[in-house]
Formats: sequence, structure tokens, C-alpha cells
Amino acid sequence: DSGVTQTPKHLITATGQRVTLRCSPRSGDLSVYWYQQSLDQGLQFLIQYYNGEERAKGNILERFSAQQFPDLHSELNLSSLELGDSALYFCASTLGGSTDTQYFGPGTRLTVL
Amino acid sequence: GENVEQHPSTLSVQEGDSAVIKCTYSDSASNYFPWYKQELGKRPQLIIDIRSNVGEKKDQRIAVTLNKTAKHFSLHITETQPEDSAVYFCAASRKAAGNKLTFGGGTRVLVKP
Repeated sequence: DSGVTQTPKHLITATGQRVTLRCSPRSGDLSVYWYQQSLDQGLQFLIQYYNGEERAKGNILERFSAQQFPDLHSELNLSSLELGDSALYFCASTLGGSTDTQYFGPGTRLTVL
Repeated sequence: GENVEQHPSTLSVQEGDSAVIKCTYSDSASNYFPWYKQELGKRPQLIIDIRSNVGEKKDQRIAVTLNKTAKHFSLHITETQPEDSAVYFCAASRKAAGNKLTFGGGTRVLVKP
């Protein structure tokens, strides 16, 4: 157990819908990263937050957004869902600053029908 | 941006033999290189990592080597066991880019008893 938690474990929804994925980092970690893992694209970085502020952005679609709250949990919002958004979504956390080791949560499996 | 290539994509070895996975990266400023093991449907788990100021690191049956000049790093697993069967991912990051991880495409390792 990495200490990073994610909910829900599974999510099944329809095209056009909106979902919210939640991540709680390890105790004391300030930085949260979101990654998408699909069969054809592998593991791809989406976005990073550090202590409530966006720090880095990767290949994140405009339909996707995220935020980190004062208690340091983070939410990834996916809207206007398409079939191709079906994937495993992982968050990872790290203390931040010069600390680089990332610990992954169990992931949320999103299925868009 | 950073690009990480990983080879081979699949690797089948006999129990007790060694397995070697190789990765190359493109950004000479990358300074952190972790390796993750992922079992089907589960989170990537950090198994070993190396920083750019070190050429080699070993942890029991697992070792990683880094050649900064050639921009490649390798994972070596000795005395393989059936429980080593999984998908292994290499990654690279640098602090200036927020330590986001750029992953290789993964290597599916099968250890035959």
C-alpha cells in the first residue's frame, strides 16, 4: 500500500457525461500528479499540482480539468466523455520541492460506453 | 519535450535466468530515472531508481545502470522467479519540469517455471 488513495475504483458512464475522480496523497505530500494509462497510449502525464497550485501540464485535453484543495486532495474532472477516454487514471504523490520519488495510487478504471 | 524509448516490448525468460530491459531518453537535462513494476490492473510500484550523479545501483536481485553520455539506462533482474512476471516501465524526469515522469512504452516480462 503506497498510502495514496483514489476513489472510485471503477466508473462506468456514457458518452457525453461528466465524472470526477478523487485522489488523496500520502500524509505530508504536497504534490499530486495525474496520469492516464490507455492500451494504445501507455502511461501519460496529464497535470501536476503543488500545494494547491498548478505546476505542470502535459497532454491534458481541454475537456479535462483538475484542482487541488486546501486539504491537499485533488480531483480530476472529465467532461463530454468520449469512448477514447476509457482508461486507467492514476494519481501519484510526492513531498515536492527537490523530492522526486512518486508513489502511485490504485487507480480509477473509467469505462465510457 | 522528453521522449523515452524502451526495449524489448516483450521478454520471455526461463526461471533462474537474467532479464535485461533497456531505455533511452532524449533530454540531457533529465536527472531522475525510476523503474516501475505493474501487475495487471494494479498500480505501478517503484522497484528501483537512480539519479544522474550515480552510475549504478543495486537492490538484491535488481540493478540499474545509467550511462549519461549515451543517454541510456538499463534494468537487470538476476535469478528471475515466476513472481517477477509483470510489465516493467522505465521513466525519466527532471526537477525543472516539475519532476513529471515521462514513461517508456513498457516491457512485458514472462518468467517460465
